[in-house]
Amino acid sequence: EADIYQTPRYLVIGTGKKITLECSQTMGHDKMYWYQQDPGMELHLIHYSYGVNSTEKGDLSSESTVSRIRTEHFPLTLESARPSHTSQYLCASSLAGDNEQFFGPGTRLTVL
Amino acid sequence: GIQVEQSPPDLILQEGANSTLRCNFSDSVNNLQWFHQNPWGQLINLFYIPSGTKQNGRLSATTVATERYSLLYISSSQTTDSGVYFCAALPFGNEKLTFGTGTRLTIIP
Repeated sequence: EADIYQTPRYLVIGTGKKITLECSQTMGHDKMYWYQQDPGMELHLIHYSYGVNSTEKGDLSSESTVSRIRTEHFPLTLESARPSHTSQYLCASSLAGDNEQFFGPGTRLTVL
Repeated sequence: GIQVEQSPPDLILQEGANSTLRCNFSDSVNNLQWFHQNPWGQLINLFYIPSGTKQNGRLSATTVATERYSLLYISSSQTTDSGVYFCAALPFGNEKLTFGTGTRLTIIP
């Protein structure tokens, strides 16, 4: 089973602040993903990466950006947080050639 | 894109009861996963089951790929089984998991 870590677990921040949500995995997975989930709703893919220096936008439009400079690290950044960004953000990863995804514990973001 | 539908949307059961959750998908799939989301929001992998049957303790799952559905069985329910159960499907030739809307299971002591 993959070990995926997300920090912070909870974040309450004011409008206009820049934030970075961290995601790291220790299993050497090539593929990494960010999903957004509103309470009680389904997950929507917002970003994914197939490897270092590879990033793509997902199905749900998002104002966030991502980077993949190291295999194990896939941070998500919001340049100017707004209340509409309030949500849970879940990071996942999988091996190239294997389709099973494993999820981190999530970051619950509240923008006031 | 692929459509993933789960039923029932909500299920309330007494502790000890058995339950069956269903996931229908609209296209052939390369991957079908079941997850349990706990009250703290974490998604726990239950099964990776693009076809066939698997069992893990009180839980088992069956995917009939030719008929485009999957079933999750929970036997002898416990209060810790409460939460939302999601299925997610990955169509052939696609790298993106599509999630269903989930089944919220509440187990009453």
